[in-house]
Amino acid sequence: AQTVTQSQPEMSVQEAETVTLSCTYDTSENNYYLFWYKQPPSRQMILVIRQEAYKQQNATENRFSVNFQKAAKSFSLKISDSQLGDTAMYFCAFMKPFGGYQKVTFGIGTKLQVIP
Amino acid sequence: DAGITQSPRHKVTETGTPVTLRCHQTENHRYMYWYRQDPGHGLRLIHYSYGVKDTDKGEVSDGYSVSRSKTEDFLLTLESATSSQTSVYFCATEEGSGNQPQHFGDGTRLSIL
Repeated sequence: AQTVTQSQPEMSVQEAETVTLSCTYDTSENNYYLFWYKQPPSRQMILVIRQEAYKQQNATENRFSVNFQKAAKSFSLKISDSQLGDTAMYFCAFMKPFGGYQKVTFGIGTKLQVIP
Repeated sequence: DAGITQSPRHKVTETGTPVTLRCHQTENHRYMYWYRQDPGHGLRLIHYSYGVKDTDKGEVSDGYSVSRSKTEDFLLTLESATSSQTSVYFCATEEGSGNQPQHFGDGTRLSIL
């Protein structure tokens, strides 16, 4: 069974600064996907970024980037130029496809507060 | 987005009553999922569906049942609600290729007193 560990329950960052959220996972699989989801106070689950395990290049989406270390089973999220709207819970997720079905394992989340 | 609507958005009910939560999608996605979100646990899978009348259990299925009579609707039923089922419930869909991220509804906050 897969496990996903987010070891930072809460973090804070000054507006315009950079912050890194950590995520490690445990799996014996070789083909899988990793995601970061953002959950603001509105409760929506918003996809931030996606990484395919077979790709060595780290994914980037505007101010969001990941540091994917497959051998170390690490998948950290870096948020640059933090904005007040980045305040949210962030969930790391591991996804293994089985044909069409997706088995997704979520971490327990990191609560990020951006301070003005 | 996948056009996912969950109803109701909030519900308060009493122990022992039946409760049904509805998920409606407009994107014709084949796969639909029900999760519950609890502090310290992230999201955990309750049940999922891979087509009309085709469903299967997730890791926390005890006390829950589901039905899917139409592609667009996936219902989650608590036959006799218990306080341990107080949670936020999310529906998610995925087109069926298996390698795309799931899209989520806005969640239902269910309180069982």
